[in-house]
Amino acid sequence: AQSVTQLGSHVSVSEGALVLLRCNYSSSVPPYLFWYVQYPNQGLQLLLKYTTGATLVKGINGFEAEFKKSETSFHLTKPSAHMSDAAEYFCAVMKGAETGFQKLVFGTGTRLLVSP
Amino acid sequence: DTAVSQTPKYLVTQMGNDKSIKCEQNLGHDTMYWYKQDSKKFLKIMFSYNNKELIINETVPNRFSPKSPDKAHLNLHINSLELGDSAVYFCASSQRGRHQPQHFGDGTRLSIL
Repeated sequence: AQSVTQLGSHVSVSEGALVLLRCNYSSSVPPYLFWYVQYPNQGLQLLLKYTTGATLVKGINGFEAEFKKSETSFHLTKPSAHMSDAAEYFCAVMKGAETGFQKLVFGTGTRLLVSP
Repeated sequence: DTAVSQTPKYLVTQMGNDKSIKCEQNLGHDTMYWYKQDSKKFLKIMFSYNNKELIINETVPNRFSPKSPDKAHLNLHINSLELGDSAVYFCASSQRGRHQPQHFGDGTRLSIL
């Protein structure tokens, strides 16, 4: 069964520092992976997705993620954190894509805290 | 211009009441979803509709009844509300396809007194 694990419920960085949010997946088929961001009192916004092809995926707001099959990982990074990046980040895998009855299975989320 | 819109944004009511949440998308998508986010921020799918037909029902209690009058709308009706129903409910939509991303509304925060 497809699932994702996010390591660390909270990550704290200083403004300008590297952001690294970890996500490991479990899937018996080639996975479709997503990162979403949730700002306070808002819905989820797609940051980026991996389907097939290039393993380094670039998203919005300067974020990128690298799909590593050997490590079953899809970690999210940003070279330099901004205060505005403070939010909750969710990794998700799409389940059922091959049948058409698709749904997103989310990790437990990681709250990113950015200090001045 | 809002792609996926939900109403109301906040819903405060008493145990035992019946309430509805409405969702509309103007993206031309043919698949819509309801997700529940609990107090620990955990998100889980409840239902999925494709072209007005139910395709996923994730063992949600019968008190929850989704209704899709057309493919742009998916409403959620909840009967006999319980304390455990307190959560944020998100509507989402996507094109049907292997890796089509889902677009989310801003959520409806339901609080049961």
